[in-house]
Amino acid sequence: EPEVTQTPSHQVTQMGQEVILRCVPISNHLYFYWYRQILGQKVEFLVSFYNNEISEKSEIFDDQFSVERPDGSNFTLKIRSTKLEDSAMYFCAHQGTGHKRTEAFFGQGTRLTVV
Amino acid sequence: GENVEQHPSTLSVQEGDSAVIKCTYSDSASNYFPWYKQELGKGPQLIIDIRSNVGEKKDQRIAVTLNKTAKHFSLHITETQPEDSAVYFCAASNSVSGGYQKVTFGTGTKLQVIP
Repeated sequence: EPEVTQTPSHQVTQMGQEVILRCVPISNHLYFYWYRQILGQKVEFLVSFYNNEISEKSEIFDDQFSVERPDGSNFTLKIRSTKLEDSAMYFCAHQGTGHKRTEAFFGQGTRLTVV
Repeated sequence: GENVEQHPSTLSVQEGDSAVIKCTYSDSASNYFPWYKQELGKGPQLIIDIRSNVGEKKDQRIAVTLNKTAKHFSLHITETQPEDSAVYFCAASNSVSGGYQKVTFGTGTKLQVIP
């Protein structure tokens, strides 16, 4: 099963600071996603990314958030000015290929703590 | 958009007993229903899935059922073992074949298997 690697595993930042969360892509995967899970709550969709552009985003994904995958490198989620309520686990997901093309594989997550 | 409800929120069973988790969904266009297991500090891991053209699917001790008319689906774990203890999420998706898939998660069930 493909592995989705996320870095860092834990990030502590001060309110108002910018953070960048990274996800190492798997070759041949075309669709990328970011999800968020606030402690004790369900996993929530943030954004999907295909062919170097956003294909869908939720109401959570406001102007403070951005995603990019420059030149086929890491898939990143940037939060420009963090708020306390941004504290959560952030999961990157990739969609499989071939006979597993409808499966979404999740990374282990980045725990973001905003203080 | 899609809304997925999940019950119960917590479930304790004796080792060897069965566990059942139930979910309902709202969007009749949803056609793919994955189940994820999330262990502490890890990302969601796909354990089984079912598509809307199938009513039941089994994989060893795990089975899922789907009732499209009633828009509900269930996870059944038989002969539970302590290592089954985790949080389980149901999810729903309108999966385009070979294409984009946004997953809407349920609220999660914390399963505890008592030795």
